[in-house]
Amino acid sequence: NAGVTQTPKFQVLKTGQSMTLQCAQDMNHEYMSWYRQDPGMGLRLIHYSVGAGITDQGEVPNGYNVSRSTTEDFPLRLLSAAPSQTSVYFCASRGQGEAKNIQYFGAGTRLSVL
Amino acid sequence: RKEVEQDPGPFNVPEGATVAFNCTYSNSASQSFFWYRQDCRKEPKLLMSVYSSGNEDGRFTAQLNRASQYISLLIRDSKLSDSATYLCVVNGDGSGNTGKLIFGQGTTLQVKP
Repeated sequence: NAGVTQTPKFQVLKTGQSMTLQCAQDMNHEYMSWYRQDPGMGLRLIHYSVGAGITDQGEVPNGYNVSRSTTEDFPLRLLSAAPSQTSVYFCASRGQGEAKNIQYFGAGTRLSVL
Repeated sequence: RKEVEQDPGPFNVPEGATVAFNCTYSNSASQSFFWYRQDCRKEPKLLMSVYSSGNEDGRFTAQLNRASQYISLLIRDSKLSDSATYLCVVNGDGSGNTGKLIFGQGTTLQVKP
């Protein structure tokens, strides 16, 4: 029973490098989102998707791209990494009906940009 | 003003104490409210939803005051295992189905022996 799976768990990048954070869920959830968490800032929404083929910006989208080609996967791309993107990234998914308000999180990706 | 505001703490309490956390939200159209718990270096997990009439789950009681746009969480008989960060979460745009969840910065609780 995997739930929400994020890879990698840890990553170190140099300024200007690009990379993709992977997120997959096996609960057939329509709603998926990416957050970053910084000390004293709480969780801030980067991008979200309400279903395959549909994405939208959250509170802090600059420097990140997303796509949703399937229900299961919602990768987050850093186009040109900057030190300000050093953070912990969480992917989350949410279902419908009775479970629509329960958001499940992946274990997080700890990213350092040097 | 932040959309969801919490006192970051930390709250340091002895075992057995009762502790209350408060949270205010700015969007009066919000319809759904939650408390999440986050352990150190772990992902957030749903603790409980918050209903208009107030609700209880064991030692935990959640209250909602829509007029004041205020949410609270009361923990009775604190255990060492309650030590964590508690996140106040609000549905951001009033839509229960597709609305964005807005997280407060969290309140840290440390229960001491």
